[in-house]
Amino acid sequence: NAGVTQTPKFRILKIGQSMTLQCTQDMNHNYMYWYRQDPGMGLKLIYYSVGAGITDKGEVPNGYNVSRSTTEDFPLRLELAAPSQTSVYFCASSSRQGVGPNEKLFFGSGTQLSVL
Amino acid sequence: RKEVEQDPGPFNVPEGATVAFNCTYSNSASQSFFWYRQDCRKEPKLLMSVYSSGNEDGRFTAQLNRASQYISLLIRDSKLSDSATYLCVVLLNTGFQKLVFGTGTRLLVSP
Repeated sequence: NAGVTQTPKFRILKIGQSMTLQCTQDMNHNYMYWYRQDPGMGLKLIYYSVGAGITDKGEVPNGYNVSRSTTEDFPLRLELAAPSQTSVYFCASSSRQGVGPNEKLFFGSGTQLSVL
Repeated sequence: RKEVEQDPGPFNVPEGATVAFNCTYSNSASQSFFWYRQDCRKEPKLLMSVYSSGNEDGRFTAQLNRASQYISLLIRDSKLSDSATYLCVVLLNTGFQKLVFGTGTRLLVSP
């Protein structure tokens, strides 16, 4: 029962490099999300998707891109890595938008990214 | 003003103690409320939803006060395994239903 799988778990990038954080879920959830969590801060929504082919910006989208070609996969792309993107990234999914009282977000185990 | 505010702690309590955390939210249109638990360097996991009438799950009790716009979490008979960061989470309906996370309250339970 995999749930939400993120890779890689850790990555160090040099300024200006690019990379893709992978996220896949096997629960047939329509809604998927990318969050970042800086030390001592709450999770901030980067991008979200309400279904295959549909994505939209969250609170902090600058410097990132996403795609959703299938229900299962929601990769996050960093094109020109900057030190400000050093953070822990979490992918999540839910069966409903925003989740109601009886729903919840399922999170991946996170990616620790450092940009030096 | 932050949308969701929590005391970062840490709260240091002995095993068996009762501890309470509060969380305030600024948007009166907030629809749903949750407590998530996050262990160090791990992903958040839902601890419990918070219902208007208050609700209990074992040693955990959650309360909601819409008039004062705060949510509370009470943990009775604290266990060592309760040591974690507790995130207050609020659902806002701003066109897209957005989950807003507090920065978390850290709890340390000692023997």
